[in-house]
Amino acid sequence: GAGVSQSPSNKVTEKGKDVELRCDPISGHTALYWYRQSLGQGLEFLIYFQGNSAPDKSGLPSDRFSAERTGGSVSTLTIQRTQQEDSAVYLCASSRGPGGTRYFGPGTRLLVL
Amino acid sequence: RKEVEQDPGPFNVPEGATVAFNCTYSNSASQSFFWYRQDCRKEPKLLMSVYSSGNEDGRFTAQLNRASQYISLLIRDSKLSDSATYLCVVNVYGGSQGNLIFGKGTKLSVKP
Repeated sequence: GAGVSQSPSNKVTEKGKDVELRCDPISGHTALYWYRQSLGQGLEFLIYFQGNSAPDKSGLPSDRFSAERTGGSVSTLTIQRTQQEDSAVYLCASSRGPGGTRYFGPGTRLLVL
Repeated sequence: RKEVEQDPGPFNVPEGATVAFNCTYSNSASQSFFWYRQDCRKEPKLLMSVYSSGNEDGRFTAQLNRASQYISLLIRDSKLSDSATYLCVVNVYGGSQGNLIFGKGTKLSVKP
């Protein structure tokens, strides 16, 4: 079956521009997560959506970062006024519920020039 | 103390070697445990769950020591294809980060 998909796979942008990253979770998965991974580093938790509950935004590094999940399915992560330190791979994951096996998408590689 | 700690490595071993990774966790309320594998420039994928009694999947053996709050992964007869980063993952029900806390990973490089 279809796994988690993300788009775009690669994004190059100029400092100061806004970017939107998209995640399509596995159908039926109620939990959706965004992570960031810088080169050679571990996963950095950003935000977590579970059903209709208020998202856990505790990992967002600044107010330039925001995320939405529409209709309990597709999610977009928006980074406003991008900075060079935002360059990383942004990974989305979904699971049937909290704590369940997390299935990751292939990620979006973001490069801010 | 970090919630989940791993030796970052790298562990450089020859083919056929046995290698073991340890991971410690700080929250005694942690309920379930996993090892994920992440290949270079790929997304993490579940390798195996870790059960209290210990469990084995082919060349891979996972063990849990709740008293000492550590988890281990043993790989026997290493293959070149085992080269990857191994992430220790801990589930704390009702905890932060959507309950699953990921370690930074231990990098394994298997050489011919």
